[in-house]
Amino acid sequence: SQQGEEDPQALSIQEGENATMNCSYKTSINNLQWYRQNSGRGLVHLILIRSNEREKHSGRLRVTLDTSKKSSSLLITASRAADTASYFCATDSGNAGKSTFGDGTTLTVKP
Amino acid sequence: DAGVIQSPRHEVTEMGQEVTLRCKPISGHNSLFWYRQTMMRGLELLIYFNNNVPIDDSGMPEDRFSAKMPNASFSTLKIQPSEPRDSAVYFCASRTGYDEQYFGPGTRLTVT
Repeated sequence: SQQGEEDPQALSIQEGENATMNCSYKTSINNLQWYRQNSGRGLVHLILIRSNEREKHSGRLRVTLDTSKKSSSLLITASRAADTASYFCATDSGNAGKSTFGDGTTLTVKP
Repeated sequence: DAGVIQSPRHEVTEMGQEVTLRCKPISGHNSLFWYRQTMMRGLELLIYFNNNVPIDDSGMPEDRFSAKMPNASFSTLKIQPSEPRDSAVYFCASRTGYDEQYFGPGTRLTVT
C-alpha cells in the first residue's frame, strides 16, 4: 500500500469553514509534502515540512507533523470555493529523491 | 522557466498502436518521474530517473512499457503495443534532491 494514507477520503464543507485533512505513514521520513490537484490538472506543491519541524504555515495553510505518531495534518482556514480540489500527502524517505504519494482527500467547498 | 513540459496533451489511439509520451523537465532538476493516474488506481509511480539514470522501474506495469532519458532535458515513456487498460493521465514531474516536485500538465491517453 502507499506510504502515505489520507483521511478522510472525501470532505464537504461550507465556504468560510476550516478543513482538516490527515495523513499517516509507515516508515521514517526525511520530509513530508502536501500537494493540491484541481480536476484535470497536474499536482501543485503546497508546502514541505521537514522531519525536524513540527508545524509550518503558508497563508491560510497550516501543516503539522508528529513523527512519533507518523502522521501529519493539513488545515485550510476560512475555506473558499476555489479550494475545491484533491489534496495529497507525499513522503520522502531516502530513495534518491523518490516521493511516495497517498490516495488523496477530495475536498468540496460549497459557496 | 516554463515549467515541466509534456506532449502531447491528449492522445487517442487504437489498441495495438505504439504510443510515445514526451517530457521536458525543468532545467537544473536532477530527478525525473513518470506517474500514471486513474480513478481506480489513483496516482502510481511508474519509473524515476536520477541524473538521467533509471533508479526504480518497479512501477512499470509490463514489458510493454519502457522509458528513456537520453539527456538531462528530455525523457520519453513508450507503450508498445497499447491496450485499452492503459487509458489514463500520465504525468511527468521533476525535482532537485528532496525539494518539491513540479508536475507537468499531463497527457490524457485514450486507447480504443
